[in-house]
Amino acid sequence: EVQLVESGGGLVQPGGSLRLSCAASGFPFSNYWMSWVRRAPGKGLEWVANINQDGSEKHYVDSVRGRFTISRDNAKSSLYLQMNSLRAEDTAIYYCARVSPTTPSNNYWGQGTLVTVSS
Amino acid sequence: QLVLTQSPSASASLGASVKLTCTLSSGHSSYAIAWHQQQPEKGPRYLMKLNSDGSHSKGDGIPDRFSGSSSGAERYLTISSLQSEDEADYYCQTWGTGPWVFGGGTKLTVL
Repeated sequence: EVQLVESGGGLVQPGGSLRLSCAASGFPFSNYWMSWVRRAPGKGLEWVANINQDGSEKHYVDSVRGRFTISRDNAKSSLYLQMNSLRAEDTAIYYCARVSPTTPSNNYWGQGTLVTVSS
Repeated sequence: QLVLTQSPSASASLGASVKLTCTLSSGHSSYAIAWHQQQPEKGPRYLMKLNSDGSHSKGDGIPDRFSGSSSGAERYLTISSLQSEDEADYYCQTWGTGPWVFGGGTKLTVL
């Protein structure tokens, strides 16, 4: 059974940092692009970042570029999101996702971890 | 610029059918998309990948009540025999050259 389990969310002050983790199981993690997606209160889903299989290619939404860093550890089947210089508008539930056009019959999301940026 | 447009809301009666629409921006009518469902207080759930020719592949455990179709730049999600648990937000999403793009989502109310 495929599982994506996020952790690391919490309450942080503006300007602070957090590191989110996503533990993957049930599939060969190193074979897949992985992504972070967030949903802010009252808003829709927003793609945040993704990373290719060996970590050599990364993409970010403009609003987080330079502040957030996506990374992965294939030996640990884990995905990470280092979030620095956090702002109130980064408040959201953050989801880990494996959604690839090359595996149309099996794509998966995690349940999310809540990040609240507030003083 | 790659943009996906969805109506903000839709409603239909219990047991009826509903067709949700996602429109690809000009010049992108050949793109495949994915449909995702997000029920209240839950993580998103992948429903299917929908190609420009209307062929689609559904995710694990997605009921036959969910189907997809395409016409030009429009991508559709049809839900038949609506059940109360279908009340949710539905998002279309596509893959750019690296980045993903989401539509704004459609909130479906089951009456």
